[in-house]
Amino acid sequence: SYEVTQPPSVSVSPGQTARITCSGDALPNQYAYWYQQKAGQAPVLVIHKDSERPSGIPERFSGSSSGTTVTLTISGVQAEDEGDYYCQSADSSGTYVVFGGGTKLTVV
Amino acid sequence: EVQLVESGGGLVQPGGSLRLSCAASGFTFSSYAMSWVRQAPGKGLEWVSVIRGSGGSTHYADSVKGRFTISRDNSKNTLYLQMNSLRAEDTAVYYCAKVDADMVNGYFDNWGQGTLVTVSS
Repeated sequence: SYEVTQPPSVSVSPGQTARITCSGDALPNQYAYWYQQKAGQAPVLVIHKDSERPSGIPERFSGSSSGTTVTLTISGVQAEDEGDYYCQSADSSGTYVVFGGGTKLTVV
Repeated sequence: EVQLVESGGGLVQPGGSLRLSCAASGFTFSSYAMSWVRQAPGKGLEWVSVIRGSGGSTHYADSVKGRFTISRDNSKNTLYLQMNSLRAEDTAVYYCAKVDADMVNGYFDNWGQGTLVTVSS
């Protein structure tokens, strides 16, 4: 079955830039979406269609795509950005949804 | 305001069955695909199933195919997940999620708070 791969963890200092990658063979042909999940809460969409930011999401969140890798970038990281981040996409047929394994962002 | 409220979770023995419900409000329910996504304790998100707005098209993750059935009642604005032949590895919080359009691979723009299913003897 199709998989997308994320690093398990990323650590940054406050004010620095965090970059979380997601890799998968179908990503050149399927959109990627990013969710933030804080402990005990449901996920929240932070980026859709590779690079579009939903209303209400701070401008420091951005997304980009290059070949088989998509990247979530958080500029000027704040303590409140700590949590787990998941990328979501679909297989090459567009039929089956897949989530990456998640990346734990730590602000140290 | 979109609201999704799951119910029906609980403790069930291996091999047993359970039906989850998700009551939706704040949007035209029949115009959107809906999905179930689960999260095992301490683990990541796992997509389970999706159903188109009319209910005519459904898809399942390999891990639940043949055991779970997704359905919807558009007259009641309610989404369901019938879970049969449950296994310990099905233990998870099950989220109901609204898809951004009537498509099977869109993004999830609204989520419920989840209902916990525990499969154990």
